Amino acid sequence: DIQVTQSPSSLSASVGDRVTITCRASRDIGNYIAWLQQKPGKAPESLIYAASTLQGGVPSRFSGSGSGTDFTLTISSLQPEDFATYYCQQHNSYPPTFGQGTKLEIK
Amino acid sequence: EVHLVQSGAEVKKAGESLTISCKGSGYDFINYWVGWVRQMPGKGLEWMGIIFPSDSDTRYSPSFQGQVTISVDKYINTAYLQWSILKASDSAMYYCARRSNDASGWYSDFWGRGTLVTVSP
Repeated sequence: DIQVTQSPSSLSASVGDRVTITCRASRDIGNYIAWLQQKPGKAPESLIYAASTLQGGVPSRFSGSGSGTDFTLTISSLQPEDFATYYCQQHNSYPPTFGQGTKLEIK
Repeated sequence: EVHLVQSGAEVKKAGESLTISCKGSGYDFINYWVGWVRQMPGKGLEWMGIIFPSDSDTRYSPSFQGQVTISVDKYINTAYLQWSILKASDSAMYYCARRSNDASGWYSDFWGRGTLVTVSP
């Protein structure tokens, strides 16, 4: 299986901040990375796939980049509703594997 | 509008059997893979397996092979996750998710709200 390592595991930030979360795959996965958001007590929601394509309805303050083994999720200006846990997931090969998650908390 | 509606929370005892369900609507159910994901309390997401309703082609993650059974009834647009012998360690939230037909690879675009399974020792 492809291993996916996400960092940081937690992050404190303020409303309006720009934040970045990174994800590294154990081998080249092209651009086959997705980012998901999970709020407490809720199901995950898909934000981005193929490294940079926003799922329908996702605000443009979310963006993704990267290829090969290194990927980034950026939130350009944090809003109160963005405080959640974020997961990356490689969708290149089966089984799709998840990063460990990044908990984004209010500073 | 795409919906994946999961069955309600379950409380069981170790050694019992259990089947939970995921009913799809608002799309061509039989032509989209449906996967299952486990989330243990306070932990991350783990991919369990996936099934293609049209022909019941099923694939498991190695960690879950032999531990659960994934099945489907395409005539009622419903996928299932089954345990024959539950263990306390099966206590978790279980999500179903639809594999996208637009994006390449194994990307899941829509998720169910989850089924909480609690197993007492």
